[in-house]
Amino acid sequence: AQSVTQLGSHVSVSEGALVLLRCNYSSSVPPYLFWYVQYPNQGLQLLLKYTSAATLVKGINGFEAEFKKSETSFHLTKPSAHMSDAAEYFCAALTGGGNKLTFGTGTQLKVEL
Amino acid sequence: DADVTQTPRNRITKTGKRIMLECSQTKGHDRMYWYRQDPGLGLRLIYYSFDVKDINKGEISDGYSVSRQAQAKFSLSLESAIPNQTALYFCATSDAPLNTGELFFGEGSRLTVL
Repeated sequence: AQSVTQLGSHVSVSEGALVLLRCNYSSSVPPYLFWYVQYPNQGLQLLLKYTSAATLVKGINGFEAEFKKSETSFHLTKPSAHMSDAAEYFCAALTGGGNKLTFGTGTQLKVEL
Repeated sequence: DADVTQTPRNRITKTGKRIMLECSQTKGHDRMYWYRQDPGLGLRLIYYSFDVKDINKGEISDGYSVSRQAQAKFSLSLESAIPNQTALYFCATSDAPLNTGELFFGEGSRLTVL
């Protein structure tokens, strides 16, 4: 079974609209969850991570994610999309006894005028 | 200069050729990783190393080998490249276990096997 599942390989929003990128995790993984972003022609960089300290996690560039154990979800949101948010976003979970990150399949975010 | 540098950035080769992708880092991190990225599949771990004497297989190590020449250098080799190894390869480093640290990625090496 997948450690994390990202729903929607492509999401398109208008500039200024809410961004919602969905991630569900397997209940078998430890509660360490991450969102990474990949801008065109670049490597991935960390947006935010959940490590059990608080269920609502704030990251860089106005993004945040809420850990919901009852729903096994860790969705990424941003209240108002900006053109510069266009990128691919990856949800990831800690696996392998805490030594590895397993990534989801990614969601490509497109922001339109 | 980038903290995690991958060479070459782009390479086209033929089936059966030996290819080496190199990664060097100036971050002083002990932990290094090789991932491959395929469209629709995300990133999958090939090998990882926690120090010079420690090498571990990831989920897709078949057809690949690695060498940790020094703390700062971690190379990925394809002994006999095949077309389904066409992908974007990323090297990453971390300074701590991933429950407290984070991965720092290079800019990627795009490999095409004809």
